[in-house]
Amino acid sequence: GNSVTQMEGPVTLSEEAFLTINCTYTATGYPSLFWYVQYPGEGLQLLLKATKADDKGSNKGFEATYRKETTSFHLEKGSVQVSDSAVYFCALSDRGASYDKVIFGPGTSLSVIP
Amino acid sequence: GAVVSQHPSRVICKSGTSVKIECRSLDFQATTMFWYRQFPKKSLMLMATSNEGSKATYEQGVEKDKFLINHASLTLSTLTVTSAHPEDSSFYICSARAVRRTEAFFGQGTRLTVV
Repeated sequence: GNSVTQMEGPVTLSEEAFLTINCTYTATGYPSLFWYVQYPGEGLQLLLKATKADDKGSNKGFEATYRKETTSFHLEKGSVQVSDSAVYFCALSDRGASYDKVIFGPGTSLSVIP
Repeated sequence: GAVVSQHPSRVICKSGTSVKIECRSLDFQATTMFWYRQFPKKSLMLMATSNEGSKATYEQGVEKDKFLINHASLTLSTLTVTSAHPEDSSFYICSARAVRRTEAFFGQGTRLTVV
């Protein structure tokens, strides 16, 4: 079945450091890929998405490229801020499935310290 | 656009009672809604998928008689936790997908505490 694997962390970085959170997926069809962010005590917000191979999603300085050959969708940011502290979830949505489920990875907790 | 409102945001109930959580898509029609449960410091566990006008599809291990889902309209889905017990205490999150969109939008979640 479909699944998402990501580094679980927690990840602690200093402000302005470079961020990479690895995400790999397994899917039988041609999934869309997403990164969601959850701030403490809140629901999930869509951060970025990519719907086909080689697409790059970007938002708020974050980027991720859909790599079909490596089945990966790693999240990167060149310079993190304290306000980026949150839990980040990699997810996929398989358009081939009957009910188009969104499957989440385990989440990666990020703490950015001043 | 694409706002999903979930209500209530927090609820405390007594063991044995039932609690209803609403999920509304405010500015789009949601043909499919999802209900998730999130345990502390854990990922989201998909509980069920509901399509407007049809019965919900429950994931393996989720008791459909305990977690009643009703998707009565294109903008509203409800989750009712029946005969709640302390082990049902959790963070419940809904999401909704619009027609012809690939991404799902999430509500702010409901913190349920059963005492």
